[in-house]
Amino acid sequence: EPEVTQTPSHQVTQMGQEVILRCVPISNHLYFYWYRQILGQKVEFLVSFYNNEISEKSEIFDDQFSVERPDGSNFTLKIRSTKLEDSAMYFCASKRLAGGADTQYFGPGTRLTVL
Amino acid sequence: GENVEQHPSTLSVQEGDSAVIKCTYSDSASNYFPWYKQELGKRPQLIIDIRSNVGEKKDQRIAVTLNKTAKHFSLHITETQPEDSAVYFCAASMGGGSNYKLTFGKGTLLTVNP
Repeated sequence: EPEVTQTPSHQVTQMGQEVILRCVPISNHLYFYWYRQILGQKVEFLVSFYNNEISEKSEIFDDQFSVERPDGSNFTLKIRSTKLEDSAMYFCASKRLAGGADTQYFGPGTRLTVL
Repeated sequence: GENVEQHPSTLSVQEGDSAVIKCTYSDSASNYFPWYKQELGKRPQLIIDIRSNVGEKKDQRIAVTLNKTAKHFSLHITETQPEDSAVYFCAASMGGGSNYKLTFGKGTLLTVNP
């Protein structure tokens, strides 16, 4: 069964540095999402993406964050200047196009540690 | 925006007992309610979902009930096994094939004691 994949599994960075988290959604999916989960807390929505543009973003997703689909398979989340409070698990998710297929499939996550 | 409340935050049961986790939501426009199971350090995995045109759905030992009027939905696990131990998250969304986000509850840590 196809799965969403994410790289790296763990990223350690210094405060102020840029990081790029990578995701490969399931191949016939067209809706993409980033969520984050601070340790011990709930999963929080960051951004949704469809047809090469952002559909919706949360208040967490400020100017330091950006997303891109650089080719037909990858979906990336960039944090321009990381802060300590960006330390979290970041999950990518994807969903098939329409037809009542509402299930979002999650990747294994990237644990981001900002020192 | 949508707000999802989930209770209890922790639940400990004996193997073979039933477990019930309850969620409430605030936005009456929400019509899709999935439940995810997350084992330690792993991805959230969908275990069951329900849409607002259905009041109950069952899949083997797992069932979900939905009360649209009261805006609450519940997960029921019967004959619990140690491998059911995990964090369970409920979520709400406006479904219908559109690009709507999931709003999650805070999670319930279920421990099944052998």
